[in-house]
Amino acid sequence: DQQVKQNSPSLSVQEGRISILNCDYTNSMFDYFLWYKKYPAEGPTFLISISSIKDKNEDGRFTVFLNKSAKHLSLHIVPSQPGDSAVYFCAASFNDYKLSFGAGTTVTVRA
Amino acid sequence: GAVVSQHPSRVICKSGTSVKIECRSLDFQATTMFWYRQFPKKSLMLMATSNEGSKATYEQGVEKDKFLINHASLTLSTLTVTSAHPEDSSFYICSAREGSEKLFFGSGTQLSVL
Repeated sequence: DQQVKQNSPSLSVQEGRISILNCDYTNSMFDYFLWYKKYPAEGPTFLISISSIKDKNEDGRFTVFLNKSAKHLSLHIVPSQPGDSAVYFCAASFNDYKLSFGAGTTVTVRA
Repeated sequence: GAVVSQHPSRVICKSGTSVKIECRSLDFQATTMFWYRQFPKKSLMLMATSNEGSKATYEQGVEKDKFLINHASLTLSTLTVTSAHPEDSSFYICSAREGSEKLFFGSGTQLSVL
């Protein structure tokens, strides 16, 4: 049962524009949400996170928004850069720290 | 930041053989390590949670006799795929917790069983 869903398998965006990645979850017990970035043949690296008590967290070009009532979160990257081309995984956890991952969204930033 | 080393990065083996994958935390003590499996275009699926000095906790549907996990020290966990078959071919990734909610991931192991 997929508790975290990323319904867009891919996203293409022009350099300098905004990238918006979406993630939906079904388990209302999740209290912590994370985004990971993954390059080919490498493990995921942590990007940004948000606690369920917040609705927005910003770190440089990356902002994560959380809408608990809709069980939806999004990652905004602005401005997008060629180095941002990667697979982005949304993940969620609750008390026992086990993460549930989405299937990932492949972002391609065009020059 | 913290580094997790996973070895080997790629392994090709014959059906029926066993393969061991190592996951090491290089600059921190990881009391908990996690093993994931990823199929092409699918999400990372948690296989098991490994706690140092105790038996691993396996997720539902994961055969513990098939995927042997050993967490012998605070810096090393191993996953052994026993009697590997072609359907075990996958990308396996470990992660380690440094004592906070952040996880650090290894670079993954691509297993191909012929």
